[in-house]
Amino acid sequence: NAGVTQTPKFRILKIGQSMTLQCTQDMNHNYMYWYRQDPGMGLKLIYYSVGAGITDKGEVPNGYNVSRSTTEDFPLRLELAAPSQTSVYFCASSYSQPTREQYFGPGTRLTVT
Amino acid sequence: KNEVEQSPQNLTAQEGEFITINCSYSVGISALHWLQQHPGGGIVSLFMLSSGKKKHGRLIATINIQEKHSSLHITASHPRDSAVYICAGRSNTGNQFYFGTGTSLTVIP
Repeated sequence: NAGVTQTPKFRILKIGQSMTLQCTQDMNHNYMYWYRQDPGMGLKLIYYSVGAGITDKGEVPNGYNVSRSTTEDFPLRLELAAPSQTSVYFCASSYSQPTREQYFGPGTRLTVT
Repeated sequence: KNEVEQSPQNLTAQEGEFITINCSYSVGISALHWLQQHPGGGIVSLFMLSSGKKKHGRLIATINIQEKHSSLHITASHPRDSAVYICAGRSNTGNQFYFGTGTSLTVIP
């Protein structure tokens, strides 16, 4: 199993550009998550999904969109990038049982200038 | 106030020391997750526990449900243990995780 994969690893965007961060998991997990981690700060939840076709906002959803058309994929879309979106983005997945752990992707380091 | 609080924020230890990192939570959770984030940025799972104690090598995690408190212990610490340790409570509905801000550990040879 590859686990949770994310692409790209690094990206530099200009203000106002858009991009999609890709996330794929091959563990047949129902739940998937997108987090951002700012320097020296904890993980903040952007969006999550409990299954294909179902998504919900987390703590910091503004400026982002998601979709979940398959169990495996959970892309994160940034529209009109702003410097405040400079961060490291992590995708994670888990089984639905409340005592099961999360598995994280390697992260995408995004800089908006 | 965060739902999950960790202490200390930063910790420096000499190689070989016994280390304890604490995690307290104020919300109902189904289980508590301990994670390790290396300087390169990758996040790996250490333990998920809903009661009692778990041990893996030199790492031990305990949880006291009544007191809403968990601890991560590292015995015979080593410089390669230097990382950020994060605790996260999984909500009772299972939908979300509440993250602490992490404890940055540096182990000096």
